[in-house]
Amino acid sequence: AQKITQTQPGMFVQEKEAVTLDCTYDTSDQSYGLFWYKQPSSGEMIFLIYQGSYDEQNATEGRYSLNFQKARKSANLVISASQLGDSAMYFCAMREGGAGNQFYFGTGTSLTVIP
Amino acid sequence: DVKVTQSSRYLVKRTGEKVFLECVQDMDHENMFWYRQDPGLGLRLIYFSYDVKMKEKGDIPEGYSVSREKKERFSLILESASTNQTSMYLCASSFNTYNEQFFGPGTRLTVL
Repeated sequence: AQKITQTQPGMFVQEKEAVTLDCTYDTSDQSYGLFWYKQPSSGEMIFLIYQGSYDEQNATEGRYSLNFQKARKSANLVISASQLGDSAMYFCAMREGGAGNQFYFGTGTSLTVIP
Repeated sequence: DVKVTQSSRYLVKRTGEKVFLECVQDMDHENMFWYRQDPGLGLRLIYFSYDVKMKEKGDIPEGYSVSREKKERFSLILESASTNQTSMYLCASSFNTYNEQFFGPGTRLTVL
């Protein structure tokens, strides 16, 4: 089974609108971490936001927020007030368990912001 | 700022050649990772290391080996390159497993 599932290969959003990128995960660990990364066309991977499994509040970083629904095992990224520079690939990732455990990445969602 | 550097942005090799991809980080991070990225498949972990001389297999270690003799350097080795190893290779590091990873710019390897 896939550890991280991103079901939206491509998404379009109008500039200044909000957009939600979906991510579901699969783990039996109680302790885990969820991450979102952005990859512009230049190829660099940029860390956006982190949510720990024990964090009670949804993580927020500027225009990025993570809608964490533990029971549903979902960790959707919400981008508010989209900008043209938000056009990129977005990857959801999970770190299972404790030290020495690996990361898993999803297949990514390509977001295009339309002027 | 954390900096992760990779030895080459583009590399072209012939089938059967031994290939070394080098990665260096300058922030004293414990963990280092090698991924390959292919369209439609996302990032797949090849190997990772959480300490000097320590290594763990990721999801796709076949055909690859790694070396971590010093904390700041993590090398990926293709013992005998094959055309199916043509890909983008990304190196990353993190302070520990609980923290976000910082990525290098990537090496686009073509094996002819």
